[in-house]
Amino acid sequence: QQPVQSPQAVILREGEDAVINCSSSKALYSVHWYRQKHGEAPVFLMILLKGGEQKGHEKISASFNEKKQQSSLYLTASQLSYSGTYFCGTEQTGANNLFFGTGTRLTVIP
Amino acid sequence: GAGVSQTPSNKVTEKGKYVELRCDPISGHTALYWYRQSLGQGPEFLIYFQGTGAADDSGLPNDRFFAVRPEGSVSTLKIQRTERGDSAVYLCASSLSRATDTQYFGPGTRLTVL
Repeated sequence: QQPVQSPQAVILREGEDAVINCSSSKALYSVHWYRQKHGEAPVFLMILLKGGEQKGHEKISASFNEKKQQSSLYLTASQLSYSGTYFCGTEQTGANNLFFGTGTRLTVIP
Repeated sequence: GAGVSQTPSNKVTEKGKYVELRCDPISGHTALYWYRQSLGQGPEFLIYFQGTGAADDSGLPNDRFFAVRPEGSVSTLKIQRTERGDSAVYLCASSLSRATDTQYFGPGTRLTVL
């Protein structure tokens, strides 16, 4: 039930773009994206509900393809502050909780 | 307003001991979740409360783990006869009413079982 994230890790230079993917084998109702810095709690980024919508938050946006049970997080013109581990949390249809992926460690260097 | 708080921030105990971890959710949030996070892993669902009742406890690993939320606000996660494999960061999150709502995480309690 745990979603699969790819890549596991990525290193970017400031200003470069990245895409993080999240895939589930189960029918999904929503996908939640979080960023966690070392030693801190996960911080909410955005929720995508089924319907294939794409959401944006400054230079971070995401899409959700409910038919493929996949979501992607897009980071454009990356900043040093984007460094951290990104998790997708998937809510399966009819469930009450989130299943989190193993995370994607993003490192932005000057 | 105040976010989700958890106490203690760190807990070191010996194998076989009993521990209690506390979570104080955001005021007005009826949904409360406990997760466990091991190093290099994502949060692993343990239990979900809707109000005072445990709506889904399917993530609790065994009967040594138990959680309560008697007044629909503060929740306590209880672990009996702790084992070294229980060592992890225990995260609590709350949301307005259900999983589709944004879950706000607390800072976690780092449990170390020696």
